[in-house]
Formats: sequence, C-alpha cells, structure tokens
Amino acid sequence: QVQLQQWGAGLLKPSETLSLTCAVFGGPFSGYYWNWIRQAPGKGLEWVGEIYHSGSTNYNPSLKSRVTISVDTSKNEFSLELTSVTAADTAVYYCARRKMGLNPKGFDYWGQGTLVTVSS
Amino acid sequence: DIQMTQSPSTLSASVGDRVTITCRASQSISPWLAWYQQKPGKAPKLLIYKASTLEDGVPPRFSGSRSETEFTLTISSLQPDDFATYYCQQYSDYPWMFGQGTKVEI
Repeated sequence: QVQLQQWGAGLLKPSETLSLTCAVFGGPFSGYYWNWIRQAPGKGLEWVGEIYHSGSTNYNPSLKSRVTISVDTSKNEFSLELTSVTAADTAVYYCARRKMGLNPKGFDYWGQGTLVTVSS
Repeated sequence: DIQMTQSPSTLSASVGDRVTITCRASQSISPWLAWYQQKPGKAPKLLIYKASTLEDGVPPRFSGSRSETEFTLTISSLQPDDFATYYCQQYSDYPWMFGQGTKVEI
C-alpha cells in the first residue's frame, strides 16, 4: 500500500524559509507527479506545485517566485522550499501523488499533513 | 486560470437523504474533474475522477456526472460517515484548481 510520510519545521518567523520533505513508501516513485498542496486554517485547498521523478517541475504562478520543489530519487523523497514566508503562508501543507498517463486521476494518495505556522 | 465554482457552500441534510453538489468550470475541462472528501484534521480522500469514475473502495452510493462545464457529485443515500467537506478539482490545465468546498452537515 502506497504511503506518503512528510515532515518539517512547524513554526517559522516571517521572512524565514519553509522546508518540508515527503517520503514515498510501498509503491513506485517513477511515473508519477509528486505534489504539494496547502490549506490555510478554515479555508479551501490550494495547489502549490509538483515535480516529476525526472525533476521536471510545475508551480502555481501565484507562488512561483518563492517556491522550489526538488526530488531525491535515491531515497524516494521530494521536498518543498518556500522562501520569505509571511503569516499568509500559515497552513497545513500536504504532499500528494498525481497519476498521469492515458487515464489521469487527480491526487490519489496524500501525506498526513504538516501544520506550518508563521508568527513573530 | 480555470476557475471552479462550487455550490452550495453548506448543505444541511439527514441520514438517508439524496444529496447533490455542483461544480462549474469557467471553461471546458473535458472530463478532467475529481471529487474529494475531507474530514476534520484529515487529508482529502479521492472519491471520483474523470468526472464519473469511482475510485477503488469508494461506496457506490457516490456518483459523478458531467454536462459540458457543469459537474455533479451525488450521494444517493447519505450515511453518518458522509458528513464531511467535499471539494471538486480540475486537472485539465495548470494551475490545478479546487472548488471552494461544500460542507455537508446534519
């Protein structure tokens, strides 16, 4: 069974860099897009960006200038960095898998979520 | 960006009710729409993809349909476990966008 396990710092000060990592267990790493999605407290879901196992990335234009997603295929892990955070970046961040190909599905497996709070 | 407009934002229902949630895309997304269920403190769960295909393990009381750019999630007979928030999401074009969510409450 595919499992995504994520971790990272949960409390940041304004202007610091958010850093999260997601590890994939129990399934193939190749052939999928690996995503970050966030949810501000009491709000809806916002797609942050994604990376293919080859390293190709796509980012939400609203965050593109501050986001970097990287991959370590030797560990089946991918990571998110978001620079210059503000209180508006306070959210639960989820990692998720997106199936592509002839019958794409959307996000079929999700991590447990990490609450990141930005406060001085 | 393709905007997803979901309605209603809140829905009050009882066990056994038939429930319908609508999601409208601002432009054509073909069938590339997914529905998710989210419970408090949990990650979303994929229910339906490609507008009407049920994800493995999802009860058949859930169904999805499409008419042009309007998509519908139907729960045929609401069960206690179904009280949650539901989101639609388009995956036709970047950036992937979600609807605002529909909270189904008692």
